[in-house]
Amino acid sequence: ELKVEQNPLFLSMQEGKNYTIYCNYSTTSDRLYWYRQDPGKSLESLFVLLSNGAVKQEGRLMASLDTKARLSTLHITAAVHDLSATYFCAVDMGSNDMRFGAGTRLTVKP
Amino acid sequence: DAGVIQSPRHEVTEMGQEVTLRCKPISGHNSLFWYRQTMMRGLELLIYFNNNVPIDDSGMPEDRFSAKMPNASFSTLKIQPSEPRDSAVYFCASSSPLAVIDQETQYFGPGTRLLVL
Repeated sequence: ELKVEQNPLFLSMQEGKNYTIYCNYSTTSDRLYWYRQDPGKSLESLFVLLSNGAVKQEGRLMASLDTKARLSTLHITAAVHDLSATYFCAVDMGSNDMRFGAGTRLTVKP
Repeated sequence: DAGVIQSPRHEVTEMGQEVTLRCKPISGHNSLFWYRQTMMRGLELLIYFNNNVPIDDSGMPEDRFSAKMPNASFSTLKIQPSEPRDSAVYFCASSSPLAVIDQETQYFGPGTRLLVL
């Protein structure tokens, strides 16, 4: 059975600090996604990572993928309050069939 | 494009009633997914369609749940009879293979918040 594990599940950090969210998965996959969800809202796509060593950056967020280690990271640089949300990683099972992690609820405090 | 459209946005019903959730995918997308999100179980894939054909319905909880996609622009998820434990947010998402594959992703609708009393 595929397992997609995120940690931490809850993260409270101060503005201006850096932190990394981890996503481990148990099956072979060459494609991984990161999504953001604001409270009461839908999911918004952040990154699509397609191959081993892929790195993508958007603003204060940077995502990477190590398919050999079955690990993806989402690094937050100099956090700001607007980044407060729940972040999900999702592993592609083929044909865009995704399996999601439990999510990391991030709170950025002033 | 208006994005993925779901209706209703909110539904309150009584146990035993039939509930039908609707989804219109993004035009041109050939894959459609139904998810359920709860605090306890997180985001679960219920079923997905490719070119209107159900590919994997192993996530459908039980026979009370059924999904159809009669054409490329419409899908329904039906619960009959509904139970309080079905209360959740139900998301529909769609996707399509793109020429630039690192932009392929699923686009989620706003969700339907279902409360079964």
